[in-house]
Amino acid sequence: GEDVEQSLFLSVREGDSSVINCTYTDSSSTYLYWYKQEPGAGLQLLTYIFSNMDMKQDQRLTVLLNKKDKHLSLRIADTQTGDSAIYFCAESTRSGNTPLVFGKGTRLSVIA
Amino acid sequence: EPEVTQTPSHQVTQMGQEVILRCVPISNHLYFYWYRQILGQKVEFLVSFYNNEISEKSEIFDDQFSVERPDGSNFTLKIRSTKLEDSAMYFCASRARTSGHNEQFFGPGTRLTVL
Repeated sequence: GEDVEQSLFLSVREGDSSVINCTYTDSSSTYLYWYKQEPGAGLQLLTYIFSNMDMKQDQRLTVLLNKKDKHLSLRIADTQTGDSAIYFCAESTRSGNTPLVFGKGTRLSVIA
Repeated sequence: EPEVTQTPSHQVTQMGQEVILRCVPISNHLYFYWYRQILGQKVEFLVSFYNNEISEKSEIFDDQFSVERPDGSNFTLKIRSTKLEDSAMYFCASRARTSGHNEQFFGPGTRLTVL
C-alpha cells in the first residue's frame, strides 16, 4: 500500500530557514499536502501541491516536489517561534472523496 | 472562521466498554472522515462517509466500529467493546463537495484512553 515517511525531529534557530522532508511510495499520488498541528489543536492544512507541479510558493512557505524521486519538501523561511509544531506530510492518490495517507509527522522546534 | 469541533477532548474508559466520540463538521460540508493516531505512529484513515452511508473504510474499521450521522449536525464514531489497542487520538474531518484538491478540515481530536 501507499507509504509516507518523514524524519521525526528538526531543530532550528529563530530566523533561519527550516526544511522538512518527506518521501512517498505511490507514483499515482495526485495531491501532496503539508499539515501543521499545534499543541491541543487539529491538523491545519498549510499548503498543497498538485502532482504536475514542481514548486509552489506561498509567503514564507516553499514546497518542492521531485516526482522522479517521490520526494516532497517544505521550506519555511525566517522561521519564528510560532512555527514550532508538528508538520505532517500527506498524499491522496485520486481526486474526489479519498482518504489521506499521512506520515508520522516532523516535530519542529524553534530555538530563540 | 468555521471549524470542526469534537467532544470530549479526552475520554477514559475501561476495556470492554462502549464509547461514542462526537464530531460536529463544518455546516455546509458533505464528506466526513474519521482518522486515528496511536501515540508515536502515523495518522491512519478509518472511514469516510457521504450521503448517509460509508463510502470507504480501512482494515482497522472492523465490526466493533460504527459511524452515524444521527441529525443534521453531528457525526459520531462508536466503538462497541473497546480494547487496549484502541487507545489513540481520534480525529474527525470534513470536506466540502466543491473542494477539487480534496481539502479536509480536521477537528482538534479526542484522546481515548482504554484501561
